[in-house]
Amino acid sequence: NAGVMQNPRHLVRRRGQEARLRCSPMKGHSHVYWYRQLPEEGLKFMVYLQKENIIDESGMPKERFSAEFPKEGPSILRIQQVVRGDSAAYFCASSPRLAEGTYEQYFGPGTRLTVT
Amino acid sequence: KQEVTQIPAALSVPEGENLVLNCSFTDSAIYNLQWFRQDPGKGLTSLLLIQSSQREQTSGRLNASLDKSSGRSTLYIAASQPGDSATYLCAVRRGDSSYKLIFGSGTRLLVRP
Repeated sequence: NAGVMQNPRHLVRRRGQEARLRCSPMKGHSHVYWYRQLPEEGLKFMVYLQKENIIDESGMPKERFSAEFPKEGPSILRIQQVVRGDSAAYFCASSPRLAEGTYEQYFGPGTRLTVT
Repeated sequence: KQEVTQIPAALSVPEGENLVLNCSFTDSAIYNLQWFRQDPGKGLTSLLLIQSSQREQTSGRLNASLDKSSGRSTLYIAASQPGDSATYLCAVRRGDSSYKLIFGSGTRLLVRP
């Protein structure tokens, strides 16, 4: 059973470009969470999605950031018009349906975004 | 608002030493607490998860304790090895069934051969 997969692992963008980060949850998991880790800081929650639904986006910056988790395919975190302050590691986690298991979130390897 | 603090921020010890990492949280109404390991440039590996009704969990040389009333958790590493060098993060999940994990800033551990 493959773990949570994220791609790309490293992404370099110039200021003003768009960044698209992808996350494929573990098999059988239908809940996806995105976290951001700024340099020398802990991880901060950004958004929680289920298939075709955004459940909680309270941690997302108000502008330029969006997320989706379509019926088919990976979850996408999209950052438009990137700025240097967006440089960070972005982690995706997944969990089973909330009715099952210990609600534990399993983390992917992260995407390291560098904005030049 | 739940805040999680980890002390110390960095720790350097000689190989073989037993050590304790500390994690404190401001709101005792938690659902569970989890310890992770993060290697440089890598993702998070879950080490131990303690439910709010539990006092401790053990896995190999690792033992994590939880004292909800005082808002503290400790991660004890026995007989440390250079391969234990990594950043250790603790994270709490609020007691209202919230799915958000609230992370501390981590303790960066170096075990010297």
